[in-house]
Amino acid sequence: DIQMTQSPSSLSASVGDIVTITCRASQSIATYLNWYQHRPGKGPNLLIYGASTLHRGVPSRFSGSGSGTEFTLTISSLQPEDFATYYCQQSYSTPVTFGLGTKVEIK
Amino acid sequence: QVQLQESGPGLVKPSETLSLTCAASTDSFNTYYWTWIRQPPGKALEWIGFVYKTGNANYNPSLQSRVAMSIDTSKNQFSLNLSSATSADTAVYYCARAHTIFGVVIYDHWGQGALVTVSS
Repeated sequence: DIQMTQSPSSLSASVGDIVTITCRASQSIATYLNWYQHRPGKGPNLLIYGASTLHRGVPSRFSGSGSGTEFTLTISSLQPEDFATYYCQQSYSTPVTFGLGTKVEIK
Repeated sequence: QVQLQESGPGLVKPSETLSLTCAASTDSFNTYYWTWIRQPPGKALEWIGFVYKTGNANYNPSLQSRVAMSIDTSKNQFSLNLSSATSADTAVYYCARAHTIFGVVIYDHWGQGALVTVSS
């Protein structure tokens, strides 16, 4: 199975801050990488697919980059509704695997 | 608006079968791959597998010997059975809608999740 490692596991930030989350794959996955936002009590929401394509309806302050084994999710100006846990997920090979998540908390 | 809703027992005894159903409110039900994903407490999301309109399914090899998925296209529902449950199967179980965009598999709609505890 392809292992997905996210860093940091948690971070504290203020509204308006730029936030960057990193995801590393244990082998090359090209750009078969998706990002999700997860709020408590709800199912995850797809933010970005194919490493850099914004899913419809997702605010443009979210962006993704990377290919191969290293990927980044950036939130350009953190908003109150962005405090949540973020997961990366690879679909390069079966079984699909997810990172452990990055919890973004209010400073 | 797409909605997915998991249902089933919240408590399962060890060695028994964990069973969940997902009701999907969506257009073009037969277009998608209907997926189960779970998250044990403090652990990563784990892909369990998916079932297609034909009844064909693809399972995580780590669970393959214990998993069975089925689908009822007349009701827009699909189900998960996980036999010989143990405490390691305690998790929040999510159903999700999957499809591919330019070859990338995405999960674009999820249920809110159902907590299942395996305990005597």
